[in-house]
Amino acid sequence: EVQLLESGGDLVQQGESLRLSCAVSGFTFSAFAMSWVRQAPGKGLEWVSGIAGSGDYSYYAESVEGRFTISRDNAKNTLFLQMTSLRAEDTAVYYCAKWREIDFWSGLTGFDIWGQGTMVTVSS
Amino acid sequence: DIVMTQSPLSLPVIPGEPASMSCRSSQHLMHTNGYNYLDWYLQKPGQSPQLLVYLGSNRASGVPDRFSGSISGTNFTLKISRVEAEDVGLYYCMQVLHSPFTFGGGTKVEIK
Repeated sequence: EVQLLESGGDLVQQGESLRLSCAVSGFTFSAFAMSWVRQAPGKGLEWVSGIAGSGDYSYYAESVEGRFTISRDNAKNTLFLQMTSLRAEDTAVYYCAKWREIDFWSGLTGFDIWGQGTMVTVSS
Repeated sequence: DIVMTQSPLSLPVIPGEPASMSCRSSQHLMHTNGYNYLDWYLQKPGQSPQLLVYLGSNRASGVPDRFSGSISGTNFTLKISRVEAEDVGLYYCMQVLHSPFTFGGGTKVEIK
């Protein structure tokens, strides 16, 4: 069964750091690009970051550029999001999502598998 | 960044009746390969989003054929031919032509 399981969400103070993980099972992890998408309480979806299947290319929303770092360990089938200098506006449910190709512009589009999300709360 | 604008914000629907919602992009979303890089998602209450339509007009695997996407320039439309009660939730369009990817604000579909 294809599954994405996020972990690492927590209540932290403004300015602190946090590392999210997404453990993947049921498919060849290295063959697909991945992303993090977040949703603030009662708000819409916001794409945060993406990484190619190889791990060689990564992309960020302007709101997190320079503070967040996406990475992946293809040997351990795990996606990460290292978050630093956290702000109150980073408070959200963070979803990891699987893209349908090895990189974002090579064919089919769409995030076809999503995790259940992990909650990050940044207190000011 | 490309701005995605969805309308209406709220869409009351009657089961069995058709429904339609729009998404407009601030720039064209056509890739050099001729495809429009626009996807549609549905987030049902309390659930994670699910992919409905990709490349503007292609239904994702397992999506009922009552859902259809169409394209006219920078205007994208998602139609439900006959709404069912299970279709309630928030519908989002998302452009994936340029990084950063951007979502529209969403259209909330609810039963009238």
